[in-house]
Amino acid sequence: NAGVTQTPKFRVLKTGQSMTLLCAQDMNHEYMYWYRQDPGMGLRLIHYSVGEGTTAKGEVPDGYNVSRLKKQNFLLGLESAAPSQTSVYFCASSPWHEQYFGPGTRLTVT
Amino acid sequence: QQQVKQSPQSLIVQKGGISIINCAYENTAFDYFPWYQQFPGKGPALLIAIRPDVSEKKEGRFTISFNKSAKQFSLHIMDSQPGDSATYFCAASMGGVDNFNKFYFGSGTKLNVKP
Repeated sequence: NAGVTQTPKFRVLKTGQSMTLLCAQDMNHEYMYWYRQDPGMGLRLIHYSVGEGTTAKGEVPDGYNVSRLKKQNFLLGLESAAPSQTSVYFCASSPWHEQYFGPGTRLTVT
Repeated sequence: QQQVKQSPQSLIVQKGGISIINCAYENTAFDYFPWYQQFPGKGPALLIAIRPDVSEKKEGRFTISFNKSAKQFSLHIMDSQPGDSATYFCAASMGGVDNFNKFYFGSGTKLNVKP
């Protein structure tokens, strides 16, 4: 089992560009989450999904959109990147309680 | 408003010493308290977790102490080793389907164990 994988690992964007981060899990988990990690701020929840076709806003959703068309995939989109979105993004999946994290995507917006 | 407050922000411990990281919460509806360990360039990984019906849980050198009345919980790392050097996050979540298993994370503690 690969667990939770994230694509890409690194990305540099110019302000105003768009991109999509892909998260995939092979554990058949219902719940999936997108977090951003910034120094001194821990992990903050951006969006989450409780099953295929469902999404909901987390703590810091502005500037991001998500989709979960297949149970195993959870996509995070940035429509118009801003320097404030420079961060490390983590995806997680969960059957209940324990959350399993991917290796992260380091995004820099210049 | 931060739901889970973690301290200290950084910690230096000598090899063989005890590392202690503390967390406090306000919401009494939380019923699951995990600790995650994160090495540089990696995602967080579950280290140990506790529910509020017990006051202590031990797994090897790692112990969670839980004080329900004070709304505090802490991670103790006994006989700390250089390989324990990492960032540690506490978290809390609520039961119930309506809460969707959302985690509230502390801000993290960077532990450095000196050889």
